[in-house]
Formats: sequence, C-alpha cells, structure tokens
Amino acid sequence: GENVEQHPSTLSVQEGDSAVIKCTYSDSASNYFPWYKQELGKRPQLIIDIRSNVGEKKDQRIAVTLNKTAKHFSLHITETQPEDSAVYFCAAKGTSNFGNEKLTFGTGTRLTIIP
Amino acid sequence: EAGVAQSPRYKIIEKRQSVAFWCNPISGHATLYWYQQILGQGPKLLIQFQNNGVVDDSQLPKDRFSAERLKGVDSTLKIQPAKLEDSAVYLCASSLVAARMTGELFFGEGSRLTVL
Repeated sequence: GENVEQHPSTLSVQEGDSAVIKCTYSDSASNYFPWYKQELGKRPQLIIDIRSNVGEKKDQRIAVTLNKTAKHFSLHITETQPEDSAVYFCAAKGTSNFGNEKLTFGTGTRLTIIP
Repeated sequence: EAGVAQSPRYKIIEKRQSVAFWCNPISGHATLYWYQQILGQGPKLLIQFQNNGVVDDSQLPKDRFSAERLKGVDSTLKIQPAKLEDSAVYLCASSLVAARMTGELFFGEGSRLTVL
C-alpha cells in the first residue's frame, strides 16, 4: 500500500518569512495530493490540492509543487501570518489492494509562526 | 450547507468497556470514512463506505471494532471491548464523488476517546 512520509515534524518561522513542508510517497500510481490544515481542537480542512497532471498550483500565499519522477511534493506558504499556525497534513491518493482509491496521510507538521 | 456531524465529542471509558460513535455525513455524499487519529499522528483510515456497502476495512481491528452505515446515510462505529491504545480522536469524513474519483474529504469535528 501507499506510504507517505512528511518532514519536518515541527517548524517555527518568523512572521512574514516563508515555510516549506515536504512529503514523499511510495506508490507511483498515486494521482491526487491534497494538503489539510488542522487548527488545535478543530477538524482538518483542505487548503490546496494538486493532481498528477500538473507540476505546480498556487492559491494566494499557498503553493504546492509536485515532482512525479522523484515522488515528492511540497507545500509552500509565503508571507506567513500568525493564523497560519496549525498542524499541516499531506496526503496521497492511490489504489488500495481492494481496488478503491484510498487517501493516506502523512504524520503532520506543526507550524508555529513567531510574531 | 451543514457539515459532517459527529457525536459524542468526548468520551471517557475504562478498558474493556464499550463505546459507540455516530456520524451524519453531508447530505448527498455517497462515500463515508472513519479515521483514527492518535495524538501526534496523521489520520489513519479504519473503514470506507460507498453508500451502505463497505469498500475498504483492511485496517479495522475486526476483533473489537465494528461499523455500519444503514440506508447509506448515518454511520456508527463501535469499539468493544476497548483497550488503552484505542485512545484517539475518531474522525468521520464524507465526500461527494464516488470512490474511484478524486474529491475533497469533509471532516467532522471528531470524537475524542480516552480509555483509562
């Protein structure tokens, strides 16, 4: 099955600086890569996603890049703000042994923005 | 639109007791998921339903966990008997599209279980 590794586990950046979180996946057939943000005590919420037919996607201060050859994808947050502090999870959707598409999550990155 | 509803939000039980969690997905969402999120880890899929049929339950500890989705809408997840390592947040999620297509997962607030 799919295995997703995420680094770093914790990240602290000064407000206004950029933050980068990286993930690798194992299943070359995976074709969908979402990123979820989870604030303390809240539900995970989708912030951006990318499909395997594109290499980069941007949405205001957030961007995701995908390198299918190397099987890794990254989340980039520019001009960080205090409200960006949260745990971020990457995920990869591949096909399980049962034939269904299955979303496998990384272990999460706790991002802290220092005012 | 209303989000995914879960209850209870918090539950504390002793080991070997039983517990049940309830989930009501977003109206019209065919696919429903139960995830287990242990503190400091990412969500792990326990079971996935497509309408009222099970699509994937490969990581569900079937000796103690069970789940059902009657009439393809609400779902319940039961643990009996509970173990200390079952302490976690149980997240329910739903998605609009069929299992073979990509689609955003909408999560509920989760049910936090503490087993003493």
